[in-house]
Amino acid sequence: QVELLESGPGLVKPSETLSLTCTVSGDSIRSDYWTWIRQPPGKGLEWIGYFYYSVSPIYNPSLKSRVTISVDTSKNQFSLKLTSVTAADTAVYYCARGQGIVATTNRYFDSWGQGTLVTVSS
Amino acid sequence: SYELTQPPSVSVSPGQTVKITCSGDKLGDKYVCWYQQKPGQSPVLVIYQDNMRPSGIPERFSGSNSGDTATLTISGTQAVDEADYFCQAWDSTIVVFGGGTKLSVL
Repeated sequence: QVELLESGPGLVKPSETLSLTCTVSGDSIRSDYWTWIRQPPGKGLEWIGYFYYSVSPIYNPSLKSRVTISVDTSKNQFSLKLTSVTAADTAVYYCARGQGIVATTNRYFDSWGQGTLVTVSS
Repeated sequence: SYELTQPPSVSVSPGQTVKITCSGDKLGDKYVCWYQQKPGQSPVLVIYQDNMRPSGIPERFSGSNSGDTATLTISGTQAVDEADYFCQAWDSTIVVFGGGTKLSVL
C-alpha cells in the first residue's frame, strides 16, 4: 500500500521560498504521476502541479511563475518550491498519487499524504 | 479557464438519499471524480471515472455524469457521511476542482 509523507518547515516568512518534500513508500515515483495540492484554512482544494517521471512538470497557470516541482528518484521523493510567498499561500499542502490513463481525462488522485500546514508570517 | 460549480451546502436526514451536483461546460465529455474530506483529514477518493467506486468505498456512494452536470448520490445516508465533498475533472492537462459542498446529516 502506497504511503506519502510531506515534510518541511511549518512557518515561512513573507517573500521567502516555501520548500516541501514528499516521501513515497510502497510505490515508485518512476511510475504513475505525482502531484501537489493545497488547501487554505476553511477553503477548497487548489491544484499546484504534477509530473510524470521523465516528463516536464505541469503547473497551475495561476502559480506557474513561482512554482518548481523536482524529483529525487534515489530517495523516492519529490519536492515543491514556491517562491515569493505571501499570507495567501498559507495552507495545508498535500502530496498525492495520480492514477488513470495518461493524456486522457480519466485520471484521479487515489492516495494522499496527511498534509502539512505551512503558515506564511513574519 | 475551466470552472466546476458546486452548491456550498446540502443537508439530508439519516437514511435518506442525497444528490450533490457539480456543473461545468460540457462536463459530460470529461471524466469526473469525487473526494470526501472530513474535518482534519486528507481527502479520500470515493468515485472515479464518473461512477466507479474504489475498493473499500460503500455501495451507497454512486456517481453519474451527463451534459453539463455530474452528480454524486449517497443512498441511505449515514451520520458518518457528514463531510465536505469535492468534484474534480481535467481540462486538457489542467486539474480543476469544484469549490466543495458541505454535507450535513441532520
